[in-house]
Amino acid sequence: QQPVQSPQAVILREGEDAVINCSSSKALYSVHWYRQKHGEAPVFLMILLKGGEQMRHEKISASFNEKKQQSSLYLTASQLSYSGTYFCGTENTGNQFYFGTGTSLTVIP
Amino acid sequence: GAVVSQHPSRVICKSGTSVKIECRSLDFQATTMFWYRQFPKKSLMLMATSNEGSKATYEQGVEKDKFLINHASLTLSTLTVTSAHPEDSSFYICSAPVFSEQFFGPGTRLTVL
Repeated sequence: QQPVQSPQAVILREGEDAVINCSSSKALYSVHWYRQKHGEAPVFLMILLKGGEQMRHEKISASFNEKKQQSSLYLTASQLSYSGTYFCGTENTGNQFYFGTGTSLTVIP
Repeated sequence: GAVVSQHPSRVICKSGTSVKIECRSLDFQATTMFWYRQFPKKSLMLMATSNEGSKATYEQGVEKDKFLINHASLTLSTLTVTSAHPEDSSFYICSAPVFSEQFFGPGTRLTVL
């Protein structure tokens, strides 16, 4: 049930862009994106619903391809504060929520 | 937004003891709450779905007798790790859904010596 994310880890210089992908083997109703800093709980970034528009949170945006059961998170002009582990999350019809495998993002000056 | 609290934030216990972790929805009612476990540098794994007034639903591979879940009210779910062992040391997080969004507690770091 766990969605698979790629890449597993990425290192960026400040100002560079990155794309994180999330792929599920099951049909998706929605996709959520979270960022987690070390030792803290995940923080909600955005949710994409079936048939919905591409979403945006500051300079971070995401898309959702229902047919391919995939979502991508786009980080533009990355900032140091973007560092953390990014998780996608998917919901099944029973409201159960599963996190993806995670992508560690490190932004360096 | 909705607020979920967890208590305690950190606990250290001896092997063989039981530890109770509380998850509370502070400004909304939660008929369903979820419990996750996270090992270092790993993803959060869903352990169980806590249902108010009925038995919890456990994910495959999670021992229900070891991880006791009680959802006694619309604002409180508890996870009790019974006879804890060092391999149970982990970060435990609860969440509660509000419409399509999940609100997470701050997490509880359990260390079993």
